[in-house]
Amino acid sequence: DQQVKQNSPSLSVQEGRISILNCDYTNSMFDYFLWYKKYPAEGPTFLISISSIKDKNEDGRFTVFLNKSAKHLSLHIVPSQPGDSAVYFCAASYNTNAGKSTFGDGTTLTVKP
Amino acid sequence: GAGVSQSPSNKVTEKGKDVELRCDPISGHTALYWYRQSLGQGLEFLIYFQGNSAPDKSGLPSDRFSAERTGGSVSTLTIQRTQQEDSAVYLCASSLGGPGSNQPQHFGDGTRLSIL
Repeated sequence: DQQVKQNSPSLSVQEGRISILNCDYTNSMFDYFLWYKKYPAEGPTFLISISSIKDKNEDGRFTVFLNKSAKHLSLHIVPSQPGDSAVYFCAASYNTNAGKSTFGDGTTLTVKP
Repeated sequence: GAGVSQSPSNKVTEKGKDVELRCDPISGHTALYWYRQSLGQGLEFLIYFQGNSAPDKSGLPSDRFSAERTGGSVSTLTIQRTQQEDSAVYLCASSLGGPGSNQPQHFGDGTRLSIL
């Protein structure tokens, strides 16, 4: 059973518009969530994170929202830029799980000029 | 560079051969992780090291897979008697601190393993 799900395999948006990437999880023990971005032939790079004690974390154009009751988080990118085109992975972890993060399958974002 | 380094970047081998993949983490990072990404899939956790010990080996797919870490630094992932289903990109990551530290993982670019 997949504990972290990214139900949209792909998303296409116009440059300058908002990109919203969604992630759902099933394990209520998860208390830390991260988003990673991955370009082809490169490893994922950390983008932004949020602790379960918060419901929002913002870093420049990137904002992550957490809705614990719905077990849902989302990543907002605004304004979207062509260089944001990549695969975005949602990941979740909890303190007693030996530091292991559980990843979703990723969403491929394409930002069109 | 100062990032996580993995070698080789690509490996093609025949079914039944053994392969060894290497990971050099970021200096000072105590935690080291191995993941596997098969085509079209997400990242599959394999094993985690804190220092030289592996508190969590739960992701290793079979006893053909093993990993070690020496000196709290370099790690090698060994796959014995490779099978075609082992073909994937093997990613290594390191982080500053282990469980509870909530440190993001820094990934290498991976080793693309192809079993013929």
